[in-house]
Amino acid sequence: GIQVEQSPPDLILQEGANSTLRCNFSDSVNNLQWFHQNPWGQLINLFYIPSGTKQNGRLSATTVATERYSLLYISSSQTTDSGVYFCAVYPNAGGTSYGKLTFGQGTILTVHP
Amino acid sequence: NAGVTQTPKFQVLKTGQSMTLQCAQDMNHNSMYWYRQDPGMGLRLIYYSASEGTTDKGEVPNGYNVSRLNKREFSLRLESAAPSQTSVYFCASSLAGVGSPLHFGNGTRLTVT
Repeated sequence: GIQVEQSPPDLILQEGANSTLRCNFSDSVNNLQWFHQNPWGQLINLFYIPSGTKQNGRLSATTVATERYSLLYISSSQTTDSGVYFCAVYPNAGGTSYGKLTFGQGTILTVHP
Repeated sequence: NAGVTQTPKFQVLKTGQSMTLQCAQDMNHNSMYWYRQDPGMGLRLIYYSASEGTTDKGEVPNGYNVSRLNKREFSLRLESAAPSQTSVYFCASSLAGVGSPLHFGNGTRLTVT
């Protein structure tokens, strides 16, 4: 099946710093989504981004599907940004994994005040 | 608007006991999913229901059964719980499967002793 790799695995920032999280995938995909899991365990959908760039406040995401990667940018980080960031992809139709969203292992972000 | 609601939030079972995890969504979504999250393993799909009346196996279906009771509700049953099923279980839904964002419930923390 498709492989999804996220980097870095861990990231520690001071409040106010910027960061870039990367998601690489091994095959063509129908779409890609970014999620934030907060310290209480809740999973929040940040972006649905099969291609192009989207922005939501201090967060933005870019997916270059032809080169099989996506980037999540966090600017002016805040302590509330702490948690785990997951990317997840739907493989393209035709394989046995069609319709099954596959998650990366996540990036653990810690923002210190 | 409650979104995706899971019950219970916590559960402790003894090996061999059975239980059903309940999930309901009020967003009129067509597709629903059950995931489990384990340390170091990320999120793995157990079963999904692309639309009312259909269910399909995911990556780790063994030991589980599901029922798509109606468009709103999708339950997960453990017939004979095993310690290996200790995990956090998330229900999720999306409007149209592959082509739309995924929304998660708050999870059920299950411990099997």
